[in-house]
Amino acid sequence: ETGVTQTPRHLVMGMTNKKSLKCEQHLGHNAMYWYKQSAKKPLELMFVYNFKEQTENNSVPSRFSPECPNSSHLFLHLHTLQPEDSALYLCASSQDSTDRVNTGELFFGEGSRLTVL
Amino acid sequence: TQLLEQSPQFLSIQEGENLTVYCNSSSVFSSLQWYRQEPGEGPVLLVTVVTGGEVKKLKRLTFQFGDARKDSSLHITAAQPGDTGLYLCAGDPSNTGKLIFGQGTTLQVKP
Repeated sequence: ETGVTQTPRHLVMGMTNKKSLKCEQHLGHNAMYWYKQSAKKPLELMFVYNFKEQTENNSVPSRFSPECPNSSHLFLHLHTLQPEDSALYLCASSQDSTDRVNTGELFFGEGSRLTVL
Repeated sequence: TQLLEQSPQFLSIQEGENLTVYCNSSSVFSSLQWYRQEPGEGPVLLVTVVTGGEVKKLKRLTFQFGDARKDSSLHITAAQPGDTGLYLCAGDPSNTGKLIFGQGTTLQVKP
């Protein structure tokens, strides 16, 4: 139990569907992240939110839409995805994404395994 | 081009053997982190190395940060099946909160 909870754990969707991934952290952190993990590729940073403000969008296609209503919750809205978007989507949190004194440890959830048919 | 190159990408060994995993870069990092990810789980931090030349030990795991802070290694002594997993090095090259990861080393320890 890392204090970061992701739902659903598994999701299968068609290319025309709209779905959302949810992440909740109980650690009192101020920064939250979405990473994509595909087979044989390094973790790819997608989005960073610090104090509810988006500070990073790593050239992610607009079919992925993040939402951060407060520091404890992060969503990833999915629409008109492609089969190549199938991957494990990992949410993480840290104390503060810009705190240079902090070594920036990330606490990850267990991930949401997405399959796009 | 990978900013953090890990080698080997896959390692399968017998219980009791020793192994070393490497993480290399042409960039200087103020710190590097090592994570382990087990199947069905997210990565979990093992250690952070901060000072060039630093050596940290975590039971049978020894982590070293290169003198020039461009590389790191993880050495496991007498590997156990419970060490099986994906080992990831990570760092923030621009100190902006963007942690990037190497492609990982998949370790399989057979009983």
